[in-house]
Amino acid sequence: SQTIHQWPATLVQPVGSPLSLECTVEGTSNPNLYWYRQAAGRGLQLLFYSVGIGQISSEVPQNLSASRPQDRQFILSSKKLLLSDSGFYLCAWGSVVGTNEKLFFGSGTQLSVL
Amino acid sequence: LAKTTQPISMDSYEGQEVNITCSHNNIATNDYITWYQQFPSQGPRFIIQGYKTKVTNEVASLFIPADRKSSTLSLPRVSLSDTAVYYCLVGAEKSSGDKLTFGTGTRLAVRP
Repeated sequence: SQTIHQWPATLVQPVGSPLSLECTVEGTSNPNLYWYRQAAGRGLQLLFYSVGIGQISSEVPQNLSASRPQDRQFILSSKKLLLSDSGFYLCAWGSVVGTNEKLFFGSGTQLSVL
Repeated sequence: LAKTTQPISMDSYEGQEVNITCSHNNIATNDYITWYQQFPSQGPRFIIQGYKTKVTNEVASLFIPADRKSSTLSLPRVSLSDTAVYYCLVGAEKSSGDKLTFGTGTRLAVRP
């Protein structure tokens, strides 16, 4: 069966520090991968998605970046965090059959930038 | 990607049936309708997906009228543990570059 791992679960970082969040998927090959961010009490904002190694699409211009160095690894990074980067970050992989996709989410990372 | 509209919040009591309706007037021919459930500090969890008419699984039912411009998630006999945010998503046309975007969802509160 497929599983998705995301870490760390919580993170407290000072403003201006770098960020690296990692997500890995097991049990499937060439999955669509997504990074979402959720502010407190709000919906999910799509940040990045990837349909293959080295293929990254950005949805929101910001100081975050994403990379996909391996088929089942998706990394969210920042060189310098801002206060506004605080939030709940979720990684997801998509199971696609034709034009029909279902998303499966990781457990999330609660990031607090102070 | 078809835009969706859902009620912001709903209240219910244990044992009642809850119906959450989602409007998606601009749904495309190939779009599927998917519902997710999210508990606090957790990622959303897939509940049910359908294209037309009615779909039922062990958790919920999804009713989709013939024109597909809306859909209704039905939760039978809710319990306190069904208190969560429910999201309706429409569309996943990868070929056109559309992506899966979540709205603010419906916050369901189940009371004893």
